[in-house]
Amino acid sequence: SQKIEQNSEALNIQEGKTATLTCNYTNYSPAYLQWYRQDPGRGPVFLLLIRENEKEKRKERLKVTFDTTLKQSLFHITASQPADSATYLCALSGGGGADGLTFGKGTHLIIQP
Amino acid sequence: DAMVIQNPRYQVTQFGKPVTLSCSQTLNHNVMYWYQQKSSQAPKLLFHYYDKDFNNEADTPDNFQSRRPNTSFCFLDIRSPGLGDAAMYLCATSRDLASGNYEQYFGPGTRLTVT
Repeated sequence: SQKIEQNSEALNIQEGKTATLTCNYTNYSPAYLQWYRQDPGRGPVFLLLIRENEKEKRKERLKVTFDTTLKQSLFHITASQPADSATYLCALSGGGGADGLTFGKGTHLIIQP
Repeated sequence: DAMVIQNPRYQVTQFGKPVTLSCSQTLNHNVMYWYQQKSSQAPKLLFHYYDKDFNNEADTPDNFQSRRPNTSFCFLDIRSPGLGDAAMYLCATSRDLASGNYEQYFGPGTRLTVT
């Protein structure tokens, strides 16, 4: 069965450093991969999307890489700030646009001042 | 400027008593989704509508139904809630295929408690 693995343990990073989150998947050939941020008691908020033929995507302090050979995506937040503390969800879709997303459990990121 | 609205934010129902959760959107998106998220778990897709076409996930229990009377509104009906149905229910929307933009816009969620 399809499986998405994210480090479910909390990740503690010192303010100003780069936070790197990992998403690994098995038994899946996604057409694209997305990253979302979720704060406690709130719905996920879209951050970045990367397609299977793209290696890297950037948006301000965020960077996503996608390696379909390793079946892995890395999500980087540079110059991290306490306000970046949240749960970050990796989500995959097979394509087709209207497909629902298959989410990982997320990684809880804590940026310490 | 709320784009995806869910009501109520918190819902308490009794075991076996039917409950309806509602979602509305101001984005005019063609696709609407319902996800279930239990504590510390990944959101799990229940079903989605592409316009009026309903798409059920294979493992969604029959206890869960949905209605989409028009583009803006979508409802989640739980016919006989069990204790295991207590969760956060998330509504999301996305644009149609032609736009090439596949990100989803989520509402704030409805927290369902079953007593």
